[in-house]
Amino acid sequence: RKEVEQDPGPFNVPEGATVAFNCTYSNSASQSFFWYRQDCRKEPKLLMSVYSSGNEDGRFTAQLNRASQYISLLIRDSKLSDSATYLCVVMASWGKLQFGAGTQVVVTP
Amino acid sequence: DARVTQTPRHKVTEMGQEVTMRCQPILGHNTVFWYRQTMMQGLELLAYFRNRAPLDDSGMPKDRFSAEMPDATLATLKIQPSEPRDSAVYFCASGQAGQVGGQYFGPGTRLLVL
Repeated sequence: RKEVEQDPGPFNVPEGATVAFNCTYSNSASQSFFWYRQDCRKEPKLLMSVYSSGNEDGRFTAQLNRASQYISLLIRDSKLSDSATYLCVVMASWGKLQFGAGTQVVVTP
Repeated sequence: DARVTQTPRHKVTEMGQEVTMRCQPILGHNTVFWYRQTMMQGLELLAYFRNRAPLDDSGMPKDRFSAEMPDATLATLKIQPSEPRDSAVYFCASGQAGQVGGQYFGPGTRLLVL
């Protein structure tokens, strides 16, 4: 079983709609959580950290559920430029990031 | 705008040849990571350094891969001899230990071993 599991998608989303997806992690000792975004043939880029209380950055909202060991990302008012692969990332000890395989989001006009 | 830089961006080589990839971390970051990304395996951590000392290279095939940090501004990843199964994108990332905020990735070296 992989340490971080994500639905690979693709999630096809009409422009302006809301999309949400989760990832689950197996290591209950994990300390920090992130969402990264990766565009085709580019490097992963940090989208946002995920805090226990939940946090928002513009149209993006991240939630963490430690009891059930899952993290979620919600994108509101989707833009064409949101089309990308979203990587769920879990850190058990500083530096050792475990990446999920990614969830592909395709925003259509 | 501080960035991680990597060279070369693309490399095509023949099986058995030596490949050297270079990375310049963001100035001030004390931790450097090497990752490999393939369609089948996704992103895998190969090795990482803190303050230039290797902390963990358990993800790296020991017989053919080596990683070094000759100084604070340069990290290298070498494959000798290269094999077709080494074909992948190799990313370098850097971060500052203890700071919340993840790691910052370079643009990657796209390696094809024929």
